[in-house]
Amino acid sequence: KAGVTQTPRYLIKTRGQQVTLSCSPISGHRSVSWYQQTPGQGLQFLFEYFSETQRNKGNFPGRFSGRQFSNSRSEMNVSTLELGDSALYLCASSLGTSDEQFFGPGTRLTVL
Amino acid sequence: AQSVSQHNHHVILSEAASLELGCNYSYGGTVNLFWYVQYPGQHLQLLLKYFSGDPLVKGIKGFEAEFIKSKFSFNLRKPSVQWSDTAEYFCAVMPTGGGNKLTFGTGTQLKVEL
Repeated sequence: KAGVTQTPRYLIKTRGQQVTLSCSPISGHRSVSWYQQTPGQGLQFLFEYFSETQRNKGNFPGRFSGRQFSNSRSEMNVSTLELGDSALYLCASSLGTSDEQFFGPGTRLTVL
Repeated sequence: AQSVSQHNHHVILSEAASLELGCNYSYGGTVNLFWYVQYPGQHLQLLLKYFSGDPLVKGIKGFEAEFIKSKFSFNLRKPSVQWSDTAEYFCAVMPTGGGNKLTFGTGTQLKVEL
């Protein structure tokens, strides 16, 4: 069974731009969660989608948004990029609720 | 809100030494507990998990962890580490029934020397 895939793997943007990251969960998994990983803040939860609905949300500004499609694939969008948004963005998928999460390789975003 | 503390930020051990990484959490309800590992250049992988039952859980690669409810702790152990265990280790908690939201500790960077 294929694992969680994320595209693109690397991105370089400039301040003020917006970016869209994509995540394809493991086949059959309906829950997709997004995390931001930085050296200073560690791993922080962004949001979770389940059956196309946002089920949980972390403490990030409204510039961070996401959505999930009917095939469970998910995208996250960051608008008006800031230098501090430079991070590794991880996607994880789960089969059920309060369940083990399987992580993708991440998208490394650099904001210049 | 829940929080997770990992007391050791950097640990250096020689091969064959024993390992214990501390993890304490704060949350008023029931939680599922996890240890994830991130090898250099690789993505996060699950080492082991505790949902219920026997508080001593065994994971991959000879790792085990013990859940002590009275101490809100979930410490990771390995009797004899190998050079290939060099990685960053994350403890994480997830409230039961609240969806799939993991709260991670700050991580422990383990270096095993030959």
